[in-house]
Amino acid sequence: DVKVTQSSRYLVKRTGEKVFLECVQDMDHENMFWYRQDPGLGLRLIYFSYDVKMKEKGDIPEGYSVSREKKERFSLILESASTNQTSMYLCASSILTGDNQPQHFGDGTRLSIL
Amino acid sequence: AQSVTQPDIHITVSEGASLELRCNYSYGATPYLFWYVQSPGQGLQLLLKYFSGDTLVQGIKGFEAEFKRSQSSFNLRKPSVHWSDAAEYFCAVGADKLSFGAGTTVTVRA
Repeated sequence: DVKVTQSSRYLVKRTGEKVFLECVQDMDHENMFWYRQDPGLGLRLIYFSYDVKMKEKGDIPEGYSVSREKKERFSLILESASTNQTSMYLCASSILTGDNQPQHFGDGTRLSIL
Repeated sequence: AQSVTQPDIHITVSEGASLELRCNYSYGATPYLFWYVQSPGQGLQLLLKYFSGDTLVQGIKGFEAEFKRSQSSFNLRKPSVHWSDAAEYFCAVGADKLSFGAGTTVTVRA
């Protein structure tokens, strides 16, 4: 089974702090994704990556950046956290093929910015 | 542009009754469609997927979904609901990048 592990289940940070959310997958997947989930809005794509050192903006990249130095690890960075970034963050991975393999999700990190 | 609409925010169903969750999509080509389920405090688990072929797709946990191109729909069904099916359900469309609906919360009453 695919395992996507997010480093923290719950995180509390202060406004203005630099915040790192880490995600590791163990199935050698090429694609990795970061979403945020808010009530009534579903999941919205922040950033994704098709390969090491490669990144693409999703639908809501403002206030975020990402890093992918190794294939198995994809980090989401909040450069200067703000209260409107309080949310559930979900990481996902998938195989890069023409068969559109499904995305596999981690358990999420619930981030509170005070 | 691709998008998904789940018209029902919340559904309450009795245990043992049937369940149908609606999903309408917008996509420029042949759609790739997914249903995911999220239990409280958990990530998303794939229930089933449609890429091509038979329009009635079987998934895990006794769920099935039917793709109807003429209606741009991909509705999820289960004949008999169990209390453990209480969760939030998300429909998604796309290729490598997915667009998700806002979700439908299912409550199961005894």
